[in-house]
Amino acid sequence: DQQVKQNSPSLSVQEGRISILNCDYTNSMFDYFLWYKKYPAEGPTFLISISSIKDKNEDGRFTVFLNKSAKHLSLHIVPSQPGDSAVYFCAASAMAGANSKLTFGKGITLSVRP
Amino acid sequence: GAGVSQSPRYKVAKRGQDVALRCDPISGHVSLFWYQQALGQGPEFLTYFQNEAQLDKSGLPSDRFFAERPEGSVSTLKIQRTQQEDSAVYLCASSLAGQLEAFFGQGTRLTVV
Repeated sequence: DQQVKQNSPSLSVQEGRISILNCDYTNSMFDYFLWYKKYPAEGPTFLISISSIKDKNEDGRFTVFLNKSAKHLSLHIVPSQPGDSAVYFCAASAMAGANSKLTFGKGITLSVRP
Repeated sequence: GAGVSQSPRYKVAKRGQDVALRCDPISGHVSLFWYQQALGQGPEFLTYFQNEAQLDKSGLPSDRFFAERPEGSVSTLKIQRTQQEDSAVYLCASSLAGQLEAFFGQGTRLTVV
């Protein structure tokens, strides 16, 4: 049973436009959420995170929104650049747990067209 | 080094062979994680160390999988009698105590033939 779901396997956007990547979760114990970016043949790289006490966190071109009641979060990239083309993983953690292991979604492949 | 280092990058094993995968975490990082990423899937948790103590091994798929971190730094993931379903990328990640943003290595791609 997937506790973190990224239902769209891929997304293609034009350079300069907004990319919106969605993620849903089912486990109510999750209270910290992260986005990782992954290029081919490399490990995932941390991008941005949000705690459940907030509903928005912004870092440059990247903004993550959290809707706790809907158990939904989204990553907005604006403006999108060709170098943003990669696989994006949504991950969740229960901070109150014994360890901070991450539960990942399957990932979304973002392609930014020049 | 500055980042998490894993070796080998690629490993081809014959079915039934034992393999050992190495992870050098970032210096000073107390927490160390192993994840398994099958093709087309996200990373899945295998096991967690805090220093040399293995605090969670709930994700290890079978007793053929064994991990250790004897001195609280370098970790080794060992898979005995490899099977085709073990083919995956094995990712190691480390973080400071209490930090949730883990830093990942490049992974070891294991192919069992």
